[in-house]
This record gives sequence, structure tokens and C-alpha cells, in this order.
Amino acid sequence: KNQVEQSPQSLIILEGKNCTLQCNYTVSPFSNLRWYKQDTGRGPVSLTIMTFSENTKSNGRYTATLDADTKQSSLHITASQLSDSASYICVVSAKRTGGFKTIFGAGTRLFVKA
Amino acid sequence: EAQVTQNPRYLITVTGKKLTVTCSQNMNHEYMSWYRQDPGLGLRQIYYSMNVEVTDKGDVPEGYKVSRKEKRNFPLILESPSPNQTSLYFCASSPGQYEDTQYFGPGTRLTVL
Repeated sequence: KNQVEQSPQSLIILEGKNCTLQCNYTVSPFSNLRWYKQDTGRGPVSLTIMTFSENTKSNGRYTATLDADTKQSSLHITASQLSDSASYICVVSAKRTGGFKTIFGAGTRLFVKA
Repeated sequence: EAQVTQNPRYLITVTGKKLTVTCSQNMNHEYMSWYRQDPGLGLRQIYYSMNVEVTDKGDVPEGYKVSRKEKRNFPLILESPSPNQTSLYFCASSPGQYEDTQYFGPGTRLTVL
């Protein structure tokens, strides 16, 4: 069964600290993996997208890693800011006959405190 | 400004009263999709469209209809809403489906009493 599991469910950190969010997936055959940021009450916004051959992708203070062998990804946030408080969603796409299937994780809720 | 718009943003309705949530994008994207988001669950795909007049079911299509008569518009229709369709709905678009980043609308919060 194609699944995307994220951990932790929620996380509280102090402003300026770093954190790492995890994503494990059982999606097959793998096409690509994306990380989105979703502010409360708003639509998700793309942070990174990685294909099978990529193992690191950065977007400012956000760095995503991908280990396609172990089917794990992480999102590392450096020097967190209050505006980083949001849900972070891992999304994996799988190839299928006639197109692709996209599976969303439930997200990690990050709270950054002053 | 490139964007995906949805209307209405908030809607409270009663069981059985037909409603339509509109979605429009101004980026000339071929691929559009509808999702619902419920607490504790990831976004689940309702329907998607690869191009004009081409639509297909996602993971949770029951109780919903869509149409794609124009490239820019992809309305979501609930013919007879029920309380279990109370949810937060998102429309998204992308240039294509493969390896393309999706751009999400602001969301429509629907309550069915």
C-alpha cells in the first residue's frame, strides 16, 4: 500500500534553533518527492522537489534530503524564524498506468517560539 | 499576478442543497486538481484533469462532480451535500502532472449542516 508517514506530528522549537522533520514512504514506483509549507488557513506552497537521482535540494534556509534506497526524506530548517511556524507536508508521486498518483503525508506542525 | 482563485472561501449550507465551488487559474496550466483536507489526514485527491474535457477520479470522488470546459476553470460540484463532506477544499494547478510543482488556491471551508 502506498503510504507517506511524517514525524513528529508536532514540534516546538525556540527561534534561532535548527530542526529536522522526517518523512518515510512506501510509495512505488517512485517518481518524485516534494516538501510543501502550509500556513494556517492557506494553501500549501512548494519548498523543494526531488527526483530519484537527487539526494539534496536547498531553498534558502530549507534543505531537503532524499535516500531513495531507504525511502526516507528529511527537511532541515536552519536558524528558525517565527514565520516558519506552519505545517510541513511531504508529498510523494508514484508512476502508474496512464499517469501518476500523488500521496500526501499528514504533515508536521511546527511551532517556533520567541 | 499568477494565481489560483477559489470561490467562495467560506460556505455554510444544508444537507441536499446543490452547490458549486469555482476554481480558476491564470497560468495557462494544463493540469488541475481538487483536494479535501481533514484534521489528522493528509490532503486527499477528489478529481483531477489533465486538460480540457479530460477528467478522472482521484482517491475520494464519491459525492462530487467536476467539469473542465475551459482550460482556466475547474469547478467542483456537490449535487447533494452531506455532513461528511464538511471539509477544507483546495484547488491546485500545474503545467503538467509529471514532476511539476502544484500551485494551490487559498482554500474553501465548507460546512454542511
